[in-house]
Amino acid sequence: QLVLTQSPSASASLGASVKLTCTLTSGHSSYAIAWHQPQPEKGPRYLMNLNSDGSHNKGDGIPDRFSGSSSGAERNLTISSLQSEDEADYYCQTWGTGILEMFGGGTKLTVL
Amino acid sequence: QVQLQESGPGLVKPLQTLSLTCTVSGGSISSGGYFWNWIRQHPVKGLEWIGSIYYRGSTYYNPSLKSRLTLSVDTSKNHFSLKLRSVTAADTAVYYCARNPWDGIGYYGMDVWGHGTTVTVSS
Repeated sequence: QLVLTQSPSASASLGASVKLTCTLTSGHSSYAIAWHQPQPEKGPRYLMNLNSDGSHNKGDGIPDRFSGSSSGAERNLTISSLQSEDEADYYCQTWGTGILEMFGGGTKLTVL
Repeated sequence: QVQLQESGPGLVKPLQTLSLTCTVSGGSISSGGYFWNWIRQHPVKGLEWIGSIYYRGSTYYNPSLKSRLTLSVDTSKNHFSLKLRSVTAADTAVYYCARNPWDGIGYYGMDVWGHGTTVTVSS
């Protein structure tokens, strides 16, 4: 059964870089995912889709500081030059059989 | 630019039916190429997919909600709707609608979201 696993929390310093990882269960390493950032009062912000080969397409207005990469079953979101407004929850999403869409448990990013 | 807006009552009594509508502006639901989704987020919890509908009426439901859920689409009004029956406090959440591009080739995720509407189930 497909599951998306995310670390519950991550932290990094202002101006630094951080990599958030979403891991697909074994046997699903070819799956593409999407990354989202819920925003208070605005709804989730679509950051990008991310394919198994690391290619990705970002949503409208997403800064270059946000990038994606893939390695095996891992789908990574890297945020460089961290800013205070990057402190948020980040969710990955993919599709499955039986349940059409699913989300990871989310990672709460703290900017120190 | 496509925008989505959820609407519906903010308070629903236990065991009643929750009804929400998502109105699409800046684009037509019937143009095809997208699934239209409902997602919710319980207080201090993660995102939960509720269900999806295509403009022709094909529906896909989260198995955990399927017995209580009906999604529908009205292309003449350019909106789609959710009905969740027999609600309990566990259905208290922020409800979002979102669009998911589909071309039969790749996976893109939900690329446009509404702002969400808070629903509280309480007597």
